[in-house]
Amino acid sequence: DQQVKQNSPSLSVQEGRISILNCDYTNSMFDYFLWYKKYPAEGPTFLISISSIKDKNEDGRFTVFLNKSAKHLSLHIVPSQPGDSAVYFCAANTGANSKLTFGKGITLSVRP
Amino acid sequence: GAGVSQSPRYKVAKRGQDVALRCDPISGHVSLFWYQQALGQGPEFLTYFQNEAQLDKSGLPSDRFFAERPEGSVSTLKIQRTQQEDSAVYLCASSPGGGRNNEQFFGPGTRLTVL
Repeated sequence: DQQVKQNSPSLSVQEGRISILNCDYTNSMFDYFLWYKKYPAEGPTFLISISSIKDKNEDGRFTVFLNKSAKHLSLHIVPSQPGDSAVYFCAANTGANSKLTFGKGITLSVRP
Repeated sequence: GAGVSQSPRYKVAKRGQDVALRCDPISGHVSLFWYQQALGQGPEFLTYFQNEAQLDKSGLPSDRFFAERPEGSVSTLKIQRTQQEDSAVYLCASSPGGGRNNEQFFGPGTRLTVL
């Protein structure tokens, strides 16, 4: 039972355009959400996070939006750069402990 | 500064062998996590330590899996009598405190292949 779902396995965008990566969750106890970026043969690297008390968090080119009623969040990358090409994981946790529940990931390709 | 390191980076084992995977967290980090990532999947939680105390081992798939962190720093994940389904990347992560919102810093992982 996937509690965090990333339904699109891949996304391809043109350099300079916006990348929108989506994530859905089913566990209403989740109250903190994170995005990780992963290059081949490396561990995931933290990118940006959002608490459930907010609906938007921005850090440079990266913005995460949270829609609690829809149990949906999205990561926007503007403008997209070729170096952004990687696998992006959505993750969430609850107040009970710190373990993260991850989605399957989405492979982003940014074309020059 | 030094990040989380894991060794070995790659391990090939014959079915039935025991393996030991090592994690060196970031110095001073209180929390340490182990995750298992199968091919094409996201990381899945295995176990969690706060200092030397193993507070959650609910994700360990069987009693063949054992983890320890005896001095609250380096951790070892041991898999006894390895099976083919154990083939995966094993990721270690550490974070500064026990707080639930602390960012987790991941190591590069150990890729285990069981033949």
